[in-house]
Order: sequence, then structure tokens, then C-alpha cells
Amino acid sequence: DIQMTQSPSTLSAYVGERVTITCRASQSISSWLAWYQQKPGKAPKLLISQASNLENGVPSRFSGSGSGTEFTLTISSLQPDDFATYYCQHYNNFPLTFGGGTKVEI
Amino acid sequence: DVQLVESGGDLVQPGRSLRLSCATSGFTFRDYGLTWVRQAPGKGLDWVAFIRSKTYGGAAEYAAAVRGRFFISRDDSGSIAYLQMNSLKIDDTGVYYCGRGLTVPGAKYWFDSWGQGTLVTVSS
Repeated sequence: DIQMTQSPSTLSAYVGERVTITCRASQSISSWLAWYQQKPGKAPKLLISQASNLENGVPSRFSGSGSGTEFTLTISSLQPDDFATYYCQHYNNFPLTFGGGTKVEI
Repeated sequence: DVQLVESGGDLVQPGRSLRLSCATSGFTFRDYGLTWVRQAPGKGLDWVAFIRSKTYGGAAEYAAAVRGRFFISRDDSGSIAYLQMNSLKIDDTGVYYCGRGLTVPGAKYWFDSWGQGTLVTVSS
């Protein structure tokens, strides 16, 4: 099974700051990676698929990059609405797995 | 609008069974794969099960932790997905979300829409 490791697990940042979250796969997953945002008590929200494809309606301050085993999610200028937990998920094959999450705090 | 609504969560004793439902609307249900993902209290997301559309054979996939105990199914006429959970364990406690799958034809699946979740508590 492919393991997904996110870092950091918690990140403290200011509004307006640039933020980068890293996700590493235990083996190559090509670009088969999605990023989700989750707020407390809410369902996950898909932000990015295929490592870098921004979903419709997601602000352009979010971007994804990477391939193979190393991926990043970048928020170019953190906004108050962005304080949440972010998860990566590979979909190279089954079983699917999520990273452990990165909580972005003020 | 795409909508998914989970139901069926409850407090149950270890060893008992429970069936969750995921009622959907706003899209052509039979054309999509469906997944269940769970989240234990204060923990991260944990993939549970997935079922393909009939177009891609309708086969199911399971996480190792639930294989042989949980069974995912779909009713295309009613636009509902189910998760039959048997021999429940305390570690199965959490919020269960259903999600709609997008695919690179039949091979790779990610999830673009989710329900609000239903809480399953396994406790004696």
C-alpha cells in the first residue's frame, strides 16, 4: 500500500503570508494526487486534482505542483477563510490513502 | 446542484451491524463511482470503500481494515449508495462521508462532492 506523509502537521501563519504544504508518497504515483480542504464539522472540499488542476470555483491563490513522490500545495496569500485542515490523497491505485493532514492556524 | 445526504448513523454495540445510506440528487447517479470515507473523532480522513459505476463493471474496493466486514452497494434506480457494516468494532467509530467519484476512464478516481456525514458510534 502507498503511504502518504504530509508536513508539517500544524502550521501557524499570518493573513497575507505565503504557505506551502508538502505531501510525499512512499512510491511513485505519477500525478494522481488530490488536495482537499476541511473545516471543523464540515465535509472535505476538493481543491486540486491530478496534482495541479485547480477545481472550478477555487481561488487562484491555491496552486499545486509535483509528480512522482513529492507534491506541494501553495497558498500564495493566506486569507481568513483559508484557516482549515488540508489533506492530500493519492488515487494511483487501490487502496486509496490520505495524508495525515496539515492544520493551518492563525 | 449535486447533493449527497448520508443517513443511518447510530450508537451500536461492538459486534452488531449497521447500514448507512447515501441519497443523491442533481447528477446522473449511474454514471459515477461512489466512495465512503470516515473520520474518527479528532483524527484525519480514512478511506473505507469504493464502488464503480456499472459502466466500469460495478466492482467494489475496500480498505484492509474493513474488508470482509463492510460491503458497499448501489441502487442506480433510486440513486442511493449503501454501506453495510457488520461485526462493528470500537475503532469503526467516526463520521462517515460519502463522496462522488470522478474518473480518468475507469482507472483513477478522485472525489469532487461530499455529503455532510453521519456519525457512527460503536460502544458497549
